Amino acid sequence: QKEVEQNSGPLSVPEGAIASLNCTYSDRGSQSFFWYRQYSGKSPELIMSIYSNGDKEDGRFTAQLNKASQYVSLLIRDSQPSDSATYLCAVNVLPHASGGSYIPTFGRGTSLIVHP
Amino acid sequence: DAGVTQSPTHLIKTRGQHVTLRCSPISGHKSVSWYQQVLGQGPQFIFQYYEKEERGRGNFPDRFSARQFPNYSSELNVNALLLGDSALYLCASSLATGNEQYFGPGTRLTVT
Repeated sequence: QKEVEQNSGPLSVPEGAIASLNCTYSDRGSQSFFWYRQYSGKSPELIMSIYSNGDKEDGRFTAQLNKASQYVSLLIRDSQPSDSATYLCAVNVLPHASGGSYIPTFGRGTSLIVHP
Repeated sequence: DAGVTQSPTHLIKTRGQHVTLRCSPISGHKSVSWYQQVLGQGPQFIFQYYEKEERGRGNFPDRFSARQFPNYSSELNVNALLLGDSALYLCASSLATGNEQYFGPGTRLTVT
């Protein structure tokens, strides 16, 4: 079973702080990595994708990828109460059957609470 | 541009019944994936379609089936509903398999 692991939290940070969300994955062949935000009762919303080792920045969000350590993280700078949500890590994995397409596999998500 | 749309929004069924959920992808997207999400868990992959062909199937029983139409819209069918099928069913579209996926609002299915 190819897995994506996230700490379920909740992670509580004060407003204005940096929130750091982490994700590990088991499939060394994975090439594509995604972060989604999901508000309670809503569907997931794509925040960022990352495909190469290193950092990728988009506004207050920075995704970090380390394929050697099989680790991907999301940093949220200047956290706001509106960032309070569940953050889902998704990794494209190849199924066991040969010839298949990459299948997105999600972690269970980390709940983030930003308090004023 | 319109995002991914799903219908219906909510659905209540009884055990043993059949249900059909529908999804229309973002214009230009040729791949549709279906997920089941229960409270406290991440989305679980059910099916992936690209250009009307099944490209992946998750660990779900044969009661679950799906198809993609020539206009790239898709249906998910679930037969012989069980209480455990109660969940949020999500459809996501992408340009192709492996690309960024965009989710619809979901269909909340309750089986009683």
